[in-house]
This record gives sequence, C-alpha cells and structure tokens, in this order.
Amino acid sequence: EDQVTQSPEALRLQEGESSSLNCSYTVSGLRGLFWYRQDPGKGPEFLFTLYSAGEEKEKERLKATLTKKESFLHITAPKPEDSATYLCLTPDAGNNRKLIWGLGTSLAVNP
Amino acid sequence: GAVVSQHPSRVICKSGTSVKIECRSLDFQATTMFWYRQFPKQSLMLMATSNEGSKATYEQGVEKDKFLINHASLTLSTLTVTSAHPEDSSFYICSAGNRGTEAFFGQGTRLTVV
Repeated sequence: EDQVTQSPEALRLQEGESSSLNCSYTVSGLRGLFWYRQDPGKGPEFLFTLYSAGEEKEKERLKATLTKKESFLHITAPKPEDSATYLCLTPDAGNNRKLIWGLGTSLAVNP
Repeated sequence: GAVVSQHPSRVICKSGTSVKIECRSLDFQATTMFWYRQFPKQSLMLMATSNEGSKATYEQGVEKDKFLINHASLTLSTLTVTSAHPEDSSFYICSAGNRGTEAFFGQGTRLTVV
C-alpha cells in the first residue's frame, strides 16, 4: 500500500538551531514529492516539488532533498516565523488526482 | 504563483441550515478542483473531485446529497453543506492545479454549526 510517513510528529527548536524533518515514502512509481507549509487555520502553502533521487531545492532557510526512499526538509537557522506544520505528500500511483498525505510535522521555533 | 481564493474564511450557522463555500481560481482555468476536510491535528481528507461541466466524483463514505458540489465555470467551484449539523463542523479546504504539478490551496473555511 502506498504510504507517506513523516517524522518527528512534533519538533521544538530554539531560534538559530538547525534541524531536519523526514518524509519517508513507499510509492510505486513516484510522481513527485511535494512539501507544503500549513499555518493554523489556513490552507497549505506550496514549498517544493521534487521528482528524482538526488534532486535538491532551496528557498530561504529551507532546503528539500530527495532519495529513493525519503525526503528531508532541512531548516537552517530557523526563526519563530518558521513555526508551522510541514506536510509532505505525493500523488497516488494509481490515480494521480488523489494525493497521499503524511500527517505532518508540527514545528515550533522559540525566540 | 497561481492563487486560489476561498470564501468565506469563517462561518457559523444554525443546525439544519445550509452553507455555501466558494472556491475560485484567480489567475488560471481549473477544469478540476478538489474539496478537502480537515479535523484538528489530522491530515487533509479528500472529499470529492469537482469537474467543470459534469458531476463531482465523491470519495467513499462522503454523502453526495449532504455535500453538494457545483463546478459551474472554469474558475469557480462551490461546496454546499446541506442541513448542517454540529458534526459537520470542520475546516474545509479547496485546491486546484493538481495534475502532477504543485496544487494550490484556498485559505480554508472554518465551519461551525451550532
């Protein structure tokens, strides 16, 4: 069964303390691995799409990487405004209109 | 990037009444839009796929007579929660652009049924 698993479930960092979020997937025929950020009471905001192992993308303090089994979202010197839930997801291999979601990592960055 | 606008952001209604939520793609044409429901601290759950000019496709367990979807144009889909009850209280989110590329999500609608 296709599955996306995120860890940790929650993470608390001090401002400036770099860390990584993990998204492991078991999908036959990956059609893109997406990272989104969701703030409380708001819809998810697109961050990155990765398509092939070895691919990396960066945006400000965030860097997403992809291997054949997992993706990492690296956060360098985070700030309190980076606090949010980070979601990873991928299209269902049998129906790419349907998304397989991880449960997210809730990140809190303390000043 | 593309923008999807959802309205209203919050709505409180009485039990038994109906509520309509709008989802608009502001700068692109969306032949397909998606409606999700999200419970606190849980992932988004796909409710239905809204297809322009045809009937929506509902996920298993979602009552189509309860959650009416109308995709009247390439830029507008609506979700109507009919005869709402307190258990329908939730966060509803629409998205568009999901064809193997990034999906763009609306801001979400917090529905509270009292």
